[in-house]
Amino acid sequence: AQKITQTQPGMFVQEKEAVTLDCTYDTSDPSYGLFWYKQPSSGEMIFLIYQGSYDQQNATEGRYSLNFQKARKSANLVISASQLGDSAMYFCAMREVNAGGTSYGKLTFGQGTILTVHP
Amino acid sequence: GAGVSQSPSNKVTEKGKDVELRCDPISGHTALYWYRQRLGQGLEFLIYFQGNSAPDKSGLPSDRFSAERTGESVSTLTIQRTQQEDSAVYLCASSSPGTNLKETQYFGPGTRLLVL
Repeated sequence: AQKITQTQPGMFVQEKEAVTLDCTYDTSDPSYGLFWYKQPSSGEMIFLIYQGSYDQQNATEGRYSLNFQKARKSANLVISASQLGDSAMYFCAMREVNAGGTSYGKLTFGQGTILTVHP
Repeated sequence: GAGVSQSPSNKVTEKGKDVELRCDPISGHTALYWYRQRLGQGLEFLIYFQGNSAPDKSGLPSDRFSAERTGESVSTLTIQRTQQEDSAVYLCASSSPGTNLKETQYFGPGTRLLVL
C-alpha cells in the first residue's frame, strides 16, 4: 500500500484565490511527522510546512496552512491568496519513527501535484 | 551560509559505464540522505548516513549502487554498470541531528543523470 497518496496529478487556480492540495497517508506509528515541499521547474526542493502527529493545532506558515485530520489520516495543504510564483510541483512527505524509537529521518514522498496559477 | 551542493549538475554516460555523484552537505550537518527522482515522479529514498555510517541502506535498488561518506562531510554515490533505468535526478539532502522528527531536510540542486 502507498504510504503517501496525492490523488490530484494537476490542479489549477486563479491568482489570489485559495487552493487545497490533498494528501492522505498510511502508518501504524503513533508518532510521525508530515511535511510539504515545493519543487519549482528549476528542480530545487523548498520546505514549506511541518505537522507533527501530536501537535494540537494545525500548522500555519504565512500563506500556507495544513488541514490536519488525524482520524482520516489526511494532511491537506491550503495555499491562500495564490500567486503566479506558486506554480510548481508540491510534494507531501512523511517521517516515521523507526523500530528503535528514534527517527532515522528518512522521508517517504507522494507522487506530487502540479499546481498552475492562472493570472 | 552555503547550502547543499552537488556535482556534477548533469551527467551523460553510456550504458555499462560507472558513475560517481558527489554531495557536499551543509557544514555541521550530521545526517545526509540520497534520494532518486524519476521524471514526473516523487522522490525515492536510497540511503541515510549518520556521521560516516549508514544505518539505513534499504532504498538502494541493487548491488550496483553504493555510497560512502567520509569525514562526516562529503558523500559519494556510485552506480556501477549503469542501465537506462538509472536515468533520473539524484538528490542529496542534509540535516542535523538526524534523529529529530521535526527537523527539516535541506536539499541540493541534484545531479541529472542520463544513461544512453
